[in-house]
This record gives sequence, C-alpha cells and structure tokens, in this order.
Amino acid sequence: NAGVMQNPRHLVRRRGQEARLRCSPMKGHSHVYWYRQLPEEGLKFMVYLQKENIIDESGMPKERFSAEFPKEGPSILRIQQVVRGDSAAYFCASSPRVTPNTGELFFGEGSRLTVL
Amino acid sequence: GNSVTQMEGPVTLSEEAFLTINCTYTATGYPSLFWYVQYPGEGLQLLLKATKADDKGSNKGFEATYRKETTSFHLEKGSVQVSDSAVYFCALIRSSGGSNYKLTFGKGTLLTVNP
Repeated sequence: NAGVMQNPRHLVRRRGQEARLRCSPMKGHSHVYWYRQLPEEGLKFMVYLQKENIIDESGMPKERFSAEFPKEGPSILRIQQVVRGDSAAYFCASSPRVTPNTGELFFGEGSRLTVL
Repeated sequence: GNSVTQMEGPVTLSEEAFLTINCTYTATGYPSLFWYVQYPGEGLQLLLKATKADDKGSNKGFEATYRKETTSFHLEKGSVQVSDSAVYFCALIRSSGGSNYKLTFGKGTLLTVNP
C-alpha cells in the first residue's frame, strides 16, 4: 500500500535553472496539496489541486511557480529560473476528499531543493 | 490571521522522562487542532487531533487537550522512548468558512531521546 511518493528526494540546481518536483498521491486520493518549509520555518501552504483543476493557489509566489495535476500522471510543482531563496523542502500531501475539520493529510517524504 | 507558536527546540530527554511540548495558537472562530510527527527519513503523519474545546486527543501514549481559555494544545507523554525521537509539529485548521482545508503549522520541535 504505497503512500504519497515524491521525487526527486534531493535536487540541486544552479540559479536560473528550472526545478520540477513530482508527487504521486496515495491510491484513491484525488486531492493534492503542496507545502513549503523554509529553513527554521514551519510548513506553509502553497497550492491545492484536484484532478485537472487548481482550487486554491493563494500560497504560491505569483511569478516563476506553477503547479498542475493532470488527469493522468503525478502532480508537478514547477519552479522556473530558481533563485537561492527557493532552497527549501517541498512537501506534497493528499487526501481522498476535502477534509474540513479532520485535517488528516497524508504526506510524502518531501523533496529538498538546493539552489547554488 | 491564523498562527501557531510552539516551543523552540531541540529538546533532549533521557528514556522514560516526561515530555511536554508547548503549543499556543491564534485563530478566528473555533479551529481544529493537531499534532503531526515526522520520523527521520519519513513524511509527516498525524499523531492526534482535537476538534472542539476540552477535547483530548491521544495516540501512542501521547496526549493533548484543547484549551480554549488559554488557546493552547500542549503535547505530553509520561514516559518517552528512544523511538519517539522525531520532529513534532503543532497545527490548526479553520473549522468553517472558506479555505478550511489549509493547515497552519508551527515551526516544529525536534525531540531526541537518549537511552
């Protein structure tokens, strides 16, 4: 029973390059959430997606960041022209439905992006 | 806006010691409160939760009580084990209105338990 799978686990990029982070939700889960954890900070909400739809991207920086969750395949978080401040751990979570009150999300192990 | 403040770490204890990790929150309305745990090399997983005032969440020997009067949700365990070594995150979620799927997390507290 595979959990939430994220890859790559570690990614190193130089300034100006693109970073693509992938997330496969748990089987049967159609809701995906991305969170970012900057050094010495808690996890911060970035975006909430359902299949083929972005429901809430209020936590995403307006420029260079985009996310998708296509009908087939994993969810992708894409960061264009990375800068050093993008270095962080990016966590993906999934749920079988919107979970008001329950708050139970199933998290992946995270992808750690380092920008040189 | 919503925020969670939890005890600065790291916390280092000997096996069988008593654990308290403090957590206080600021939120509009009546949020639901959670503790998540992240073991080394793993993703976060829900440890326990409480959805209304005076509720006590418990799991694996850990407990936390939702205290509305002090806006707190402190995590406790009477006797920690080496296997409890992990990072602990306090979190909340709005219980009504829009955006009630967004978890607001504290910064996390690293606990190390020595044999």
